[in-house]
Amino acid sequence: GAVVSQHPSRVICKSGTSVKIECRSLDFQATTMFWYRQFPKQSLMLMATSNEGSKATYEQGVEKDKFLINHASLTLSTLTVTSAHPEDSSFYICSAGLGAGALTDTQYFGPGTRLTVL
Amino acid sequence: AQSVTQLDSHVSVSEGTPVLLRCNYSSSYSPSLFWYVQHPNKGLQLLLKYTSAATLVKGINGFEAEFKKSETSFHLTKPSAHMSDAAEYFCVVSDLNKFYFGSGTKLNVKP
Repeated sequence: GAVVSQHPSRVICKSGTSVKIECRSLDFQATTMFWYRQFPKQSLMLMATSNEGSKATYEQGVEKDKFLINHASLTLSTLTVTSAHPEDSSFYICSAGLGAGALTDTQYFGPGTRLTVL
Repeated sequence: AQSVTQLDSHVSVSEGTPVLLRCNYSSSYSPSLFWYVQHPNKGLQLLLKYTSAATLVKGINGFEAEFKKSETSFHLTKPSAHMSDAAEYFCVVSDLNKFYFGSGTKLNVKP
């Protein structure tokens, strides 16, 4: 149980284009989803917390107009990297939390999406 | 404020020998603590978690961790390393629904 999928697993795009990454909880409903970014040989950096039906909460330093997050249902959150540039190349990982709000404890992680911007 | 320190960026052991990955945390609350493993180019897999029940927590693949409040530690151990254990390991402290990650420890297992 508690499986999270991401699509696509890899994407290569040209500078200036937009890329959408999907995160789905396959066998449970996730009120809260999280988006992380991981640079090579580094730890995960939380970008934003996404709650179903409301606006995402972005961490300090993360541009909300560049990284658009939509959490339209209890099983799907999307991250759109708008006008991507080479410095946006990274490994993006989503996670879904069981429970709601303060009860959200364990997070289950997707397999990640490798974005390369040329 | 919550923070996690993983004391070793790299650990190398021989197959069949014990594994010890160290983690210290700071938290203003009674924390939930986790260990996750990440294989190359993969997402994170939950190994085990501590949520104020038994201080010795058993996880998957033979791993276990002991919560020591007096030492603010949550070290991960395994009695006998296997080649498939080679990966990156992250210690995580949870404050309500936000995770704070350690910098990771890369485990190398030599044949």
